[in-house]
Amino acid sequence: KAGVTQTPRYLIKTRGQQVTLSCSPISGHRSVSWYQQTPGQGLQFLFEYFSETQRNKGNFPGRFSGRQFSNSRSEMNVSTLELGDSALYLCASSLARQTYGYTFGSGTRLTVV
Amino acid sequence: DQQVKQNSPSLSVQEGRISILNCDYTNSMFDYFLWYKKYPAEGPTFLISISSIKDKNEDGRFTVFLNKSAKHLSLHIVPSQPGDSAVYFCAASAGRGNVKTSYDKVIFGPGTSLSVIP
Repeated sequence: KAGVTQTPRYLIKTRGQQVTLSCSPISGHRSVSWYQQTPGQGLQFLFEYFSETQRNKGNFPGRFSGRQFSNSRSEMNVSTLELGDSALYLCASSLARQTYGYTFGSGTRLTVV
Repeated sequence: DQQVKQNSPSLSVQEGRISILNCDYTNSMFDYFLWYKKYPAEGPTFLISISSIKDKNEDGRFTVFLNKSAKHLSLHIVPSQPGDSAVYFCAASAGRGNVKTSYDKVIFGPGTSLSVIP
C-alpha cells in the first residue's frame, strides 16, 4: 500500500512569503502529526490532527498553522517566513490516536532565503 | 527545555560488535518509549517500542532496555551491521498505546548518528 506522501519534496521561498505543505496519510490512517527537523534539535512537534480537529499543539508561533480535511489529508501553512524556518518538515500518520509506530513521509525540505 | 535527551550526537562501532545508544528523559509522566531510525533523504522509520510496565523488549537484533528509576533507556544492536548506519531517534509519550487513556504528543530526542565500520 502507498506510504505517507508529502509534497513538494523541495521548496525555496524568500523571507516574508508564505508556504503551504501537503501530506497524504496512509489510506485508513486518521491521525496526522507534523514535525520540524533542524540540525541539533531533532524533531520538534508542531501539531497533531485527528478527525479534522487539532488535538495537540507544540511550542511554535502562530505563524505555523495547519488543517485536516475529511479524507484525512493535511496541510500546514507558514506565514511571514523567516530564515530560521528553513528545515525539513515531516508528516507522520497513524491509524488512531492511541496507536504507536508512526509512519513518516520523506519530508519537505524548505529553504528560506 | 528538552524532555528527551540523547547526549551522544554520534557513535562509531565496528561491524559485528554491539552498538549501545542511550536516551534520558525528564518527564515522569512518560510511559511509552519508541526508537526510530532515519536514513538521509528519507523519513524516520519505527524500530521498536517499550511500555513502562516492561523493562526489556526484544525484536531480532534490537533490544530496548528501560530503567524507570533512572529515567533512562537504551537501544542495543547486536551484531551491528553496516546497514545499521543511520540517525537513531529516541521518543517518548504519555498514554500512547493505551486506548483507555488520553495521551500526549510524542516527543523526540535530538538523535544519535551511528556509523558501523566494516
